[in-house]
Amino acid sequence: QLHLQESGPGLVKPSETLSLTCSVSGGSINTAAFYWGWVRQPPGKGLEWIGTIFQSRNTYYNPSLKSRVTISADTSKNQFSLKLDSVIAADTAVYYCARQAFDVLIAYYDNWGRGTLVTVSS
Amino acid sequence: SSELTQDPVVSVALGQTVRITCQGDTLGNYYATWYQQKPRQAPVLVIYGENSRPSAIPDRFSGSTSGNTASLTITGAQAEDEADYYCHSRDSSGHQLFGGGTKVTVL
Repeated sequence: QLHLQESGPGLVKPSETLSLTCSVSGGSINTAAFYWGWVRQPPGKGLEWIGTIFQSRNTYYNPSLKSRVTISADTSKNQFSLKLDSVIAADTAVYYCARQAFDVLIAYYDNWGRGTLVTVSS
Repeated sequence: SSELTQDPVVSVALGQTVRITCQGDTLGNYYATWYQQKPRQAPVLVIYGENSRPSAIPDRFSGSTSGNTASLTITGAQAEDEADYYCHSRDSSGHQLFGGGTKVTVL
């Protein structure tokens, strides 16, 4: 059974870089069958797509975050990571990693991590 | 830019039927996906594709699309269906977007 687990600091100072890792067990991230992505949710608000990585090298980012976001993968550790530069208070959110099925007509997340709260504050 | 629009709040009497809608230009070309999210929990996939459900999702949940509007219908709503529901889709650039969410209250 697939399991995803987010890890990283729960508190980041403004203007610094938020770094999170998603560890995947029960399946390989080095597959052509699935994409791997990050979604966030500010407290009391809705879901926001951050970005997606496919086969460890092809990336897609939310245009509103693109200048600050990097998603990468380490297939030797079966992990993928998120870096968000120059964070501000509005980046405070629960960050989820998830596995995604992606096809010509559809994209859907079928497995999610439990999420990790990252607070941006000095 | 693309966006998906949902009604913020919908209520339904126990055992009755409720339809949640999601409007957006991208839905004319790509399927919507629906997620259920309960407080302090991660989202759960409930409907994807034309009208497919993961095996753990009860068959009272169904999906449909007409033009630029996707719908999630709960037929015979149960107390445990009270949750936030989000639609999700992709666009031609491979980018993705979520609707603002609909809070469903079961009375």
